[in-house]
Order: sequence, then structure tokens, then C-alpha cells
Amino acid sequence: AQTVTQSQPEMSVQEAETVTLSCTYDTSESDYYLFWYKQPPSRQMILVIRQEAYKQQNATENRFSVNFQKAAKSFSLKISDSQLGDAAMYFCAYRGMDSNYQLIWGAGTKLIIKP
Amino acid sequence: KAGVTQTPRYLIKTRGQQVTLSCSPISGHRSVSWYQQTPGQGLQFLFEYFSETQRNKGNFPGRFSGRQFSNSRSEMNVSTLELGDSALYLCASSGGTSGTGELFFGEGSRLTVL
Repeated sequence: AQTVTQSQPEMSVQEAETVTLSCTYDTSESDYYLFWYKQPPSRQMILVIRQEAYKQQNATENRFSVNFQKAAKSFSLKISDSQLGDAAMYFCAYRGMDSNYQLIWGAGTKLIIKP
Repeated sequence: KAGVTQTPRYLIKTRGQQVTLSCSPISGHRSVSWYQQTPGQGLQFLFEYFSETQRNKGNFPGRFSGRQFSNSRSEMNVSTLELGDSALYLCASSGGTSGTGELFFGEGSRLTVL
């Protein structure tokens, strides 16, 4: 069975600095999707960034980028120029190609932004 | 385009009661998934419906059930509520193709069982 591990329960970063959130996963599949979702306090979950396993190029969305290491089964999220609005729980999630829309989630990392 | 709508947003029940939660997906989306979120267990997959058919089911007891209507709206039901059922129940919709895999979430229904 697939598993997703986020080893950092909480991270803090100074506003305007860069922070990296870690995620590792375990799977025997060769094709899959990986996601980072953001859940602000009392607000809904939103997609931050998505990576298809067959793509070697790391995904980037504005200030958010990933470091996808398929062989190491690692999928870290880098947030550049951190802003107060980035404060949230960040969840790493895995979806197999044949699992329809069932996501396997990490435990989450709480990101604190210091002004 | 309206997002995923979940009702009710908050509810309080007592042990032994049953509850029904509703989810209206984004217009045009045919897949609806349900997740339970608790501080202790994190996010856990309940089930996923596509075109009124349950395609996937998570590891939850039979007290948890769901259905999807022809307009893609979905309901989930929990019978004989237990204290441990207190959680945020999240609904997510998707376009139904396997292209992007992205889920769009509602704000959730927060259930408290006393």
C-alpha cells in the first residue's frame, strides 16, 4: 500500500525568506500524481502545485516550486519570498493512476510566517 | 463558476443519532469524493462516486454510507454516531477524467458528537 510521510509537523520562516517542506512517499507504481495542498485556518483546502511522475521537470507555480526526486521518492515544496498569507497547513498527497480520485495524504506541516 | 458547496457547515449530534451531509460539486464535475479529517488520524478517504456509482471505498465501517444523484450532488450518511465520528468532513469534486487528478474541495461540514 502507498504511504506518504511528512516528517515536519511544524515549520516557521521569516517573512520574505524561503522555506522548504519535506515529503516522502512509498509506492511500487511507476506512474502517479503528487500534490501539495494548502489548508488555511478555518478555510478550504486548495491545490498549490501538482507533479506528474512521468515528467522529469519540476513543477513551478509562481513562488511555489517542487523538488521531485523519483528514485528517492521525495517530493519537497519550496516557497520563495514567504508572505503572511502563506501561513497554513500544507499537505502532501499521492494519487495512483488507477485509483480514480482516492488520494493518500501525509500528516501535514503547519507553516508559521514570522513578520 | 460556483465552487463545491457543503451543507450544513456545522452540526452537533448526540451518540446514537444519525446524520446526513450534502455536497454539491462544481457544475460539470461528475466525481465526488468524501474525506474525514481529524487531528489524530489526519485525512482519510471515505468513498468516491462517479455518475451515481461508488468507485472506491475507504476503510470505514458500514455505518458510513453515501450516494450520488443524477445531478452529481452527493450525500453521505453516518448512522449510530459515536464520539469518534466527530470530525471535519470534506467533499471534493473533480472533472471525472483522469487528466489532471486535481480535486476541488468544499469548506467542509464540522460534526461534533456529544
